[in-house]
Amino acid sequence: AQSVTQPDIHITVSEGASLELRCNYSYGATPYLFWYVQSPGQGLQLLLKYFSGDTLVQGIKGFEAEFKRSQSSFNLRKPSVHWSDAAEYFCAVAANQAGTALIFGKGTTLSVSS
Amino acid sequence: NAGVTQTPKFRILKIGQSMTLQCTQDMNHNYMYWYRQDPGMGLKLIYYSVGAGITDKGEVPNGYNVSRSTTEDFPLRLELAAPSQTSVYFCASSGTVNYGYTFGSGTRLTVV
Repeated sequence: AQSVTQPDIHITVSEGASLELRCNYSYGATPYLFWYVQSPGQGLQLLLKYFSGDTLVQGIKGFEAEFKRSQSSFNLRKPSVHWSDAAEYFCAVAANQAGTALIFGKGTTLSVSS
Repeated sequence: NAGVTQTPKFRILKIGQSMTLQCTQDMNHNYMYWYRQDPGMGLKLIYYSVGAGITDKGEVPNGYNVSRSTTEDFPLRLELAAPSQTSVYFCASSGTVNYGYTFGSGTRLTVV
């Protein structure tokens, strides 16, 4: 069965500083990987996804993530954080077949200090 | 706009009451899912459906029931509500995994 671990519950970053949110997954084959963002009281918005091919994927809002098979990781990065990036971030994994449900990590809350 | 519509957005239930959370999608997606979100726990899968007439349990199905009579609708039924069912509920759909998952805006349920 798939599983996802987000080791950091809460991270605080200064505005303008770089950001990396960690995500490790467990799955026997190459999974489908996703990052979602959730602002307080809102639904989930897809930031980016990885299915195959180039292991560095670009998403919305200036985010990118790198799939590293050897480390079973899919870390999310942003070179310069804005105050509006403060939110909760979820990594998710799905088996590489149609219809399988997303399995979510517990999330990382990002705070941005001025 | 095309997408996943959930109703109601908010609801307060008394212990022992029942209710149905509605979920409708207009993207002709075969696959639909119900998740619950609790603070610090991420999203947990309650039930899912791979097509009309087919449903299956997820990780936390106890206390819930679903049906899928049409492609568009996937209601979640709570029978005998308990305080442990206080949560935010999200419905999602997907055509194929490659197309990603579309989430509804959620239903915030409080059981008192």
